[in-house]
Amino acid sequence: AQSVTQPDIHITVSEGASLELRCNYSYGATPYLFWYVQSPGQGLQLLLKYFSGDTLVQGIKGFEAEFKRSQSSFNLRKPSVHWSDAAEYFCAVGPYTGNQFYFGTGTSLTVIP
Amino acid sequence: KAGVTQTPRYLIKTRGQQVTLSCSPISGHRSVSWYQQTPGQGLQFLFEYFSETQRNKGNFPGRFSGRQFSNSRSEMNVSTLELGDSALYLCASSGTQGNTEAFFGQGTRLTVV
Repeated sequence: AQSVTQPDIHITVSEGASLELRCNYSYGATPYLFWYVQSPGQGLQLLLKYFSGDTLVQGIKGFEAEFKRSQSSFNLRKPSVHWSDAAEYFCAVGPYTGNQFYFGTGTSLTVIP
Repeated sequence: KAGVTQTPRYLIKTRGQQVTLSCSPISGHRSVSWYQQTPGQGLQFLFEYFSETQRNKGNFPGRFSGRQFSNSRSEMNVSTLELGDSALYLCASSGTQGNTEAFFGQGTRLTVV
């Protein structure tokens, strides 16, 4: 069965500190993996995606993620967090049977000054 | 290119009523998917339409239905509203199947009272 697990419901980091958000997936085929960010009351914005090739992918806003097949993980990282990064982050896998995507339950990020 | 447009942004309805939400996908995208987002359940897939046909359906009761028009615009209908239907409803459009991602609208916030 397809699923995505984000073990951390909420993370708090200081501005300027590094960040890593965890994501583990279960998928029956070669996964396409995504990270989205959602600000309060808004839709989801794509940060980055992995389809194939280089397992370290760069995204917008200084984010990167590394695909590790052996660990079924796709963790999101940022070297130095800014206050504007406070938001909800979702990992997703798909598409499956058409354009259905499976999402994790999200990680809420708080950034303290 | 214009993004995904959802209307209305906010709705307040009474239990037992029915509601229709609208989604205009990115120009050229023929796939439109709908998701329900609630704090407890995260993003749950409702259904996907492709070229006016429902291609995929999530595990929701028959009160939730949708359709897609020849211009790829989609509508979602919920009949006999329940308090538990209060949620953010997100529409996503995608290009051709495979090697693609979902582009999300800002959502419609439905409150059932």
